[in-house]
Amino acid sequence: GQQVMQIPQYQHVQEGEDFTTYCNSSTTLSNIQWYKQRPGGHPVFLIQLVKSGEVKKQKRLTFQFGEAKKNSSLHITATQTTDVGTYFCAGSGGGADGLTFGKGTHLIIQP
Amino acid sequence: DTGVSQDPRHKITKRGQNVTFRCDPISEHNRLYWYRQTLGQGPEFLTYFQNEAQLEKSRLLSDRFSAERPKGSFSTLEIQRTEQGDSAMYLCASSLTGTGGGYTFGSGTRLTVV
Repeated sequence: GQQVMQIPQYQHVQEGEDFTTYCNSSTTLSNIQWYKQRPGGHPVFLIQLVKSGEVKKQKRLTFQFGEAKKNSSLHITATQTTDVGTYFCAGSGGGADGLTFGKGTHLIIQP
Repeated sequence: DTGVSQDPRHKITKRGQNVTFRCDPISEHNRLYWYRQTLGQGPEFLTYFQNEAQLEKSRLLSDRFSAERPKGSFSTLEIQRTEQGDSAMYLCASSLTGTGGGYTFGSGTRLTVV
C-alpha cells in the first residue's frame, strides 16, 4: 500500500530561525495536502498541491511539490511561537481513496 | 454551520463492551471520513463515504468496526467487543469534492478501553 514518510520526526529551533520538513511517498501522488495540529488539537488544513513542481506561499510558509509528484516540502521562514505544533503531509493516489498521512514533524520553538 | 461535530468528546469503556460514536459533518460536504490517531502518530485512515455510500474501508480495519451514514448526513462508527488496543482518538472529517479544499476535521472522540 501507499506509504508517506516525513523527516525529521522532531525539530527544535530558536525563535526566528527557519524550519523545513520533508515528505516522501512510495508512489506517485495525484495531490498532496499539508495540515497543522496544535498540541491537544485536531489537524487543520493548510494547503493542497496538485501540479508537478508547484510552489505555493502563505505568508512565511512555502510549500513545494516535486517534479515527480512523489515528494514535497514545507518551509517556514523566521519561526514564531505560534508556529508550534505538528505538521503533517497527506497524499492521495487519486480515485476513490482517502488521504494517507505521514507521521508528522513536531516543531518545538525555544524563545 | 459551526464545522464538524463529534460526540462524545471522551469515552471510557470496559474491555469487551460495544461503543458508538457520532459525527455530524459540514452540511454542504458530500464526503465523510473516519480516521484514528494514537499519540505521536499521524491520522490513520479507517473508512470514508461519499453521500451515503461507503466507498473504501481500510484493510487494517477489523470486522469489529462498522460505520454507517444513513441518508448521507451524519455518520456513526461502532466498535464491538472493544480491546485495549482500540484506545485512540477517533477523528471524523468532511470535504466537498471538486473544490480543491482539504478535509475539515472535528475535535475527535477520545476512547479509553480499560
